[in-house]
Amino acid sequence: KQEVTQIPAALSVPEGENLVLNCSFTDSAIYNLQWFRQDPGKGLTSLLLIQSSQREQTSGRLNASLDKSSGRSTLYIAASQPGDSATYLCAVVGGAGNMLTFGGGTRLMVKP
Amino acid sequence: GAGVSQSPSNKVTEKGKDVELRCDPISGHTALYWYRQSLGQGLEFLIYFQGNSAPDKSGLPSDRFSAERTGGSVSTLTIQRTQQEDSAVYLCASSFYNQPQHFGDGTRLSIL
Repeated sequence: KQEVTQIPAALSVPEGENLVLNCSFTDSAIYNLQWFRQDPGKGLTSLLLIQSSQREQTSGRLNASLDKSSGRSTLYIAASQPGDSATYLCAVVGGAGNMLTFGGGTRLMVKP
Repeated sequence: GAGVSQSPSNKVTEKGKDVELRCDPISGHTALYWYRQSLGQGLEFLIYFQGNSAPDKSGLPSDRFSAERTGGSVSTLTIQRTQQEDSAVYLCASSFYNQPQHFGDGTRLSIL
C-alpha cells in the first residue's frame, strides 16, 4: 500500500526566505505526483504536476522536483510572501484508476 | 460556474441520522472522485467513477457509505446511521479521464 509522508508538518518563516518542502512515497511505481495548496475552509488548488518521466516542473516562484527511484519530491518556494501561507499537500497517482494518495501536508506560515 | 460545486457547504446532524452530500462536477469531465479529510486520518480516497464503468468503491470505510452518479454527471454521497467518527470535510473532485483533478470546496459534516 502506498504511503506518502511530508516533512515538516509545520513551518514558520519570515517573508523573503526561500524554503523547501519535502515529500516521500514508499512505492516508486507512480504515474505522476502533484503538489496542492489548501487555504482554510477551501478545497485544493493544484500547483504543479510532474509526470513520472519528468524530473521537475516550474511555475513562477515554485519549483517541484521528482526523484522517482528514491521516492522523493521537493517543492521549492522562492522569495516567500505572506500570501503563500497555506497548507501544502503532496499526492501521488499509481496503479489502476486516477485516485490520489495524499501526504499529511505541511502547514506554512510566512510572517511579514 | 466553471468549477466543481458541492452542497451543502456545512451540515450538522444528529448521530444516527442519514445524510446526503451533493457534487456537481465540471461539465464534460468524465471522472468523479470523493475524498474525506479528517483531523486524525488526513485526506483519504473514498470512491471513484469513470464514465459508465462500475465505480471503484475500495476506499469506502463501511457499508453505511454509498454513492451514485446519475447520468454521468451529478453525484450524491450518502452516509446512513451517521456516527461521530464520520465528522469530516468531504471533498469532491472531477477530471477529464486521467487529467489533473479539480476540487470543490467541500462539505463540512458535523455529527452531534
